[in-house]
Amino acid sequence: NAGVTQTPKFQVLKTGQSMTLQCAQDMNHEYMSWYRQDPGMGLRLIHYSVGAGITDQGEVPNGYNVSRSTTEDFPLRLLSAAPSQTSVYFCASSYRMRGLVGNTEAFFGQGTRLTVV
Amino acid sequence: GEDVEQSLFLSVREGDSSVINCTYTDSSSTYLYWYKQEPGAGLQLLTYIFSNMDMKQDQRLTVLLNKKDKHLSLRIADTQTGDSAIYFCAERDYGQNFVFGPGTRLSVLP
Repeated sequence: NAGVTQTPKFQVLKTGQSMTLQCAQDMNHEYMSWYRQDPGMGLRLIHYSVGAGITDQGEVPNGYNVSRSTTEDFPLRLLSAAPSQTSVYFCASSYRMRGLVGNTEAFFGQGTRLTVV
Repeated sequence: GEDVEQSLFLSVREGDSSVINCTYTDSSSTYLYWYKQEPGAGLQLLTYIFSNMDMKQDQRLTVLLNKKDKHLSLRIADTQTGDSAIYFCAERDYGQNFVFGPGTRLSVLP
């Protein structure tokens, strides 16, 4: 049971380049999400998905795209990288909340440290 | 929108108790969480509390919830150097999304 796997762990991009951050989970979680972590700002939600074929925007979606063709995978695409996208990116997954039944904690990947020069 | 606030830094001496505080705005929050992040790592769940509880104890950890004031605290008894990390408070509501605070960096001094 690998949990949440993110690749790559580190990446350096030039301004204007595009790339895809991969996220996969093997826990059959319906909910998956992407956050970026910047100093003093906690984790800010970029995009999320409550199931295959369903995605929605979070707090800071501009410059990022996502898709959810399978339950397991939730890739994050940077369309044209900018220095402002230098950050640490975390993918997280969990079961959907259904009323008040059971805790539904989020499980996190180890993060992707992205630098845009 | 929803907001979660925490102080950014806390220093304690080894063996003392640490208390990390958090306030949140969303009254519909059902679960409230404490996550720990060590350097270069992802977030790991420390403990959680359901919104109809006032207190939860788990070994050295005690979570107190004041729903009226929307105030959550995490107490770590007998703080050790291995407890040095960033601690995030988070809430989750029926909207499915988690909202995290900015994190409190705990430094444990020998």
